[in-house]
Amino acid sequence: EADIYQTPRYLVIGTGKKITLECSQTMGHDKMYWYQQDPGMELHLIHYSYGVNSTEKGDLSSESTVSRIRTEHFPLTLESARPSHTSQYLCASSIRRGGTDTQYFGPGTRLTVL
Amino acid sequence: AQTVTQSQPEMSVQEAETVTLSCTYDTSENNYYLFWYKQPPSRQMILVIRQEAYKQQNATENRFSVNFQKAAKSFSLKISDSQLGDTAMYFCAFMKRNAGNMLTFGGGTRLMVKP
Repeated sequence: EADIYQTPRYLVIGTGKKITLECSQTMGHDKMYWYQQDPGMELHLIHYSYGVNSTEKGDLSSESTVSRIRTEHFPLTLESARPSHTSQYLCASSIRRGGTDTQYFGPGTRLTVL
Repeated sequence: AQTVTQSQPEMSVQEAETVTLSCTYDTSENNYYLFWYKQPPSRQMILVIRQEAYKQQNATENRFSVNFQKAAKSFSLKISDSQLGDTAMYFCAFMKRNAGNMLTFGGGTRLMVKP
């Protein structure tokens, strides 16, 4: 398994709270991604980054924001959590090898907003 | 835009037998990559196998192999000698080449390997 970490693994929080989901990778990958996944459903890209100081929105609109100040760190923040934000959030990173970009995933953070 | 379809929401197989998971995709691109990812219950998603569209030879990784039919836009995964540890959600994914490395995922197939 790849060296990509997410904390916390599980989070239950009340409406209106500000939360930050952490994602770190020790592989030196330039590209990092955040996906949202409802239980048993497909993954939807919500944010990505090509490198330090680069952030872009993905296909699925999200009220969350991200930052990329260091190569290894790509945190996701929700300023005011709502029950509609309840989901699993997966972080990934990738590097090009042999002409192919392969994404490696973290273990995920399962967020529940009450 | 690309779409990826996995038509089997759930499947089961007896231990040691072979199972095939189907995946079809729709794209106008000619250069792309296809992936199968495995997500065990409450565990990390890991890459199972990948295929470059320009390669005619089907990719294989130990007990896992694909049947890539480019003209039919089909990319099925065959698991031979199924093991209990193969129980997981399996996601097929598409990546357009040189387009920001974005993955488009299918809806997943939940595979249960029975003893």
